[in-house]
Amino acid sequence: DGGITQSPKYLFRKEGQNVTLSCEQNLNHDAMYWYRQDPGQGLRLIYYSQIVNDFQKGDIAEGYSVSREKKESFPLTVTSAQKNPTAFYLCASSLGQGGKQYFGPGTRLTVT
Amino acid sequence: DQQVKQNSPSLSVQEGRISILNCDYTNSMFDYFLWYKKYPAEGPTFLISISSIKDKNEDGRFTVFLNKSAKHLSLHIVPSQPGDSAVYFCAASAQSTGNQFYFGTGTSLTVIP
Repeated sequence: DGGITQSPKYLFRKEGQNVTLSCEQNLNHDAMYWYRQDPGQGLRLIYYSQIVNDFQKGDIAEGYSVSREKKESFPLTVTSAQKNPTAFYLCASSLGQGGKQYFGPGTRLTVT
Repeated sequence: DQQVKQNSPSLSVQEGRISILNCDYTNSMFDYFLWYKKYPAEGPTFLISISSIKDKNEDGRFTVFLNKSAKHLSLHIVPSQPGDSAVYFCAASAQSTGNQFYFGTGTSLTVIP
């Protein structure tokens, strides 16, 4: 089955800890994206990557970091510098830059 | 600044009737538009797209209309079914420059049986 997997579905962390969210795709897509969704808001782009070993900041990159060492994987680290980390995080991929995006099931992160 | 707006946070429609979800955008460079459907605690799933060279695209019960001069697009669902109850997001990009997608805030559709 081709698709995007995100794990875990729910994640709980204490304030001050870094946490890494996993995103894997087997669609052979070049581009991958991380969004966050907050209640009453649309999806906001955190980071995106068009090819391996390259990534760009989105609108709300502060307090986040990413890596793209493999085409299939695009992990997101939520650092302690992120002021409001509690949110629903969505990973997506597309065949090419600007193409239709396919989303994973999301990870709900709660930081207390 | 929100470049893509969905001004109706929610919409209720009787089963079998038409659902019309609206989306406005401000960036005239946007030339590719998509609609996604999202259930709670799940990722959005792609519904239908339209490029700026068209003003209508149809796929089964779903039709998207684009009015470039008004910078407005709408999604029509006919006939509406209870399983259509979800949050619908529109998204836009300037595909010609390969820019990111900008998403609206979503409209929660409830189809009443």
